[in-house]
Amino acid sequence: EIVMTQSPDTLSVSLGERATLSCRASQSVSSNLAWYQHKPGQAPRLLIYGASTRATGIPARFSGSGSGTEFTLTISSLQSEDFVVYYCQQYNNWPRTFGQGTKVEIK
Amino acid sequence: EVQLVESGGGLVQPGGSLRLSCAASGFTFSKYWMHWVRQGPGQGLVWVSRINSDGSSTNYADSVKGRFTISRDNAKKSLYLQMNSLRAEDTAVYYCTRDLWGDIIDYWGQGTLVTVSS
Repeated sequence: EIVMTQSPDTLSVSLGERATLSCRASQSVSSNLAWYQHKPGQAPRLLIYGASTRATGIPARFSGSGSGTEFTLTISSLQSEDFVVYYCQQYNNWPRTFGQGTKVEIK
Repeated sequence: EVQLVESGGGLVQPGGSLRLSCAASGFTFSKYWMHWVRQGPGQGLVWVSRINSDGSSTNYADSVKGRFTISRDNAKKSLYLQMNSLRAEDTAVYYCTRDLWGDIIDYWGQGTLVTVSS
């Protein structure tokens, strides 16, 4: 099973600042990597797939990069609604696995 | 608008059974593969099971294989998860999700809570 490790567990950032979230795979997943946003009590939302392709309706301030084992989600200018939890997921190998999540909190 | 609404969660004793349902609307249900994903208390997301568009092919996480059964009724636009021999570690919010393609999940329901406890 591929283990996905996200860092940091919690990221403290000020409104309007840039946030950089990392996701590392225990072995290569090529570009088969997705990012999800999860607000408590709500349905998670797909942000990025194919490591760098924004999903439909996702604002341009969200961008993804990386391939192989190292991936990054960047939020260029944090808005109030962005202070939630983010998960990465690999869909290259069975079983599909998620990272443990990074919580973005207001500094 | 795509909507996925789960139901059937609740409190069940260890060794018991529960059947989750998911009502889909806003898209052509019969064309999409579907998944169940769960999140235990204070834990991350864990993929549970998937089913192809016509229900002829299914896959399961090792932790639920032999105990859980995923199924669907395309005429009713519904997805199901039959859970037997439930354990405390199955306690989680269970999400019904839609597959965009290749196991990328593009829509999630709000989830239904399953609690396994005596």
